[in-house]
Amino acid sequence: NAGVTQTPKFRVLKTGQSMTLLCAQDMNHEYMYWYRQDPGMGLRLIHYSVGEGTTAKGEVPDGYNVSRLKKQNFLLGLESAAPSQTSVYFCASSLQGFLHFGAGTRLSVL
Amino acid sequence: GENVEQHPSTLSVQEGDSAVIKCTYSDSASNYFPWYKQELGKGPQLIIDIRSNVGEKKDQRIAVTLNKTAKHFSLHITETQPEDSAVYFCAASINSNYQLIWGAGTKLIIKP
Repeated sequence: NAGVTQTPKFRVLKTGQSMTLLCAQDMNHEYMYWYRQDPGMGLRLIHYSVGEGTTAKGEVPDGYNVSRLKKQNFLLGLESAAPSQTSVYFCASSLQGFLHFGAGTRLSVL
Repeated sequence: GENVEQHPSTLSVQEGDSAVIKCTYSDSASNYFPWYKQELGKGPQLIIDIRSNVGEKKDQRIAVTLNKTAKHFSLHITETQPEDSAVYFCAASINSNYQLIWGAGTKLIIKP
């Protein structure tokens, strides 16, 4: 039982490049979330999903897209990366509000 | 919308002493208040939570209190140990999807 697995762990992008962050959970949770964490700002919700095939916007969705084609996977896409998207990204899944987090992806956009 | 403020941003206590971290929230409809601990290089981990129908909850050395009238809640850690050193986040939620609004975090340092 691996919990929540995020890939990759680190990535450096140039401005304008695109990439996809993958999140996989093996706990059969319905809810999944993507957060970004910046110094002094806590965690901010980017997008979330309440079940397979559904997605919804969080607090800071601009510049990101997501997909939940399979219940266990939640993908976060950056179509055209900007330096403001330099951050640590966390995926989480939940059952009745108890969030299980992945180890994070550290992304730098130069 | 909901706003959660957390204080202090850094807290340094002697090993064995108690630590208290406080959070205030703005939306009186909030009904779920979890606390997460984040160790270096890891994702946050739930350590305790409280719902609005309860005033206090305790789990060994950790306790959380909730004052709905004043709209604030606090994390209390007694008999602190080196492994308590971490960043602690409070959060609040107002809807059934448990979309959490997070405080900015408190870095807790336990001095030997």
